[in-house]
Amino acid sequence: DAKTTQPNSMESNEEEPVHLPCNHSTISGTDYIHWYRQLPSQGPEYVIHGLTSNVNNRMASLAIAEDRKSSTLILHRATLRDAAVYYCILRDGGYSTLTFGKGTMLLVSP
Amino acid sequence: ETGVTQSPTHLIKTRGQQVTLRCSSQSGHNTVSWYQQALGQGPQFIFQYYREEENGRGNFPPRFSGLQFPNYSSELNVNALELDDSALYLCASSFPTGGGYGYTFGSGTRLTVV
Repeated sequence: DAKTTQPNSMESNEEEPVHLPCNHSTISGTDYIHWYRQLPSQGPEYVIHGLTSNVNNRMASLAIAEDRKSSTLILHRATLRDAAVYYCILRDGGYSTLTFGKGTMLLVSP
Repeated sequence: ETGVTQSPTHLIKTRGQQVTLRCSSQSGHNTVSWYQQALGQGPQFIFQYYREEENGRGNFPPRFSGLQFPNYSSELNVNALELDDSALYLCASSFPTGGGYGYTFGSGTRLTVV
C-alpha cells in the first residue's frame, strides 16, 4: 500500500484556520486521498476525499497538489470539537480497505 | 438514515474464551470491514466482507473469523482469546468498491481480556 506521512501533532487556536499536511510521494494514479478523524472514545469519522481536484464539503476542504504527492486538509474555523486525531489515507479504486497510520493529533485551544 | 451500530459496547472476557461481536451496517451499504485498535495506535484492518463473501484480510490469525448476513449485518468471532486481543474493535460499512466512497464507522466494542 502507498504510504502517507503526517506530523505527529499540531496545535491551533479556536476560530482560526487549520492546515493539516500529508505527504504521499508514492501515490499511484488510481489512489484516492481520504481523510478521517477520530474523536476521543469514538470510531473514525469520514471527513473528505478527492482524486485530483480540490474538494469542499460542509466539514472541510481538501487541497491536492498538482503532482498529487501531497495534500492539505483545511478546517476553515477550528472549534474545540475539532480536537481529534486526523488520518490521511490512500485508497485505490478496487476493493481496497483503509490502512491507517498514526495520524496527526490536533489540539485546539480556546 | 441509520449509522453503524455495534454491540456490546464493552466486554470483559477471560483468556482462552471465545467472543462474538456484532455490527449492523448503515442502510444501503453492502460492504463491511472490521478493525482492531490498540490503545494509542491507529486501527488495524482485520477483514472485509462484500455480499457475504470475505474479499480481503489483514495480518490476523485464523482464530479471528467473521460472517456477513443477507441483511448485511456482520459478526466478528475471536477464539482462544489472548491478553493482547484487548482492544477497541471497530466495524465500518461502505458502498461497494472504488476508492471514491467513504466508510461509516461504528463507535466500537471495547474488549478486555483478563
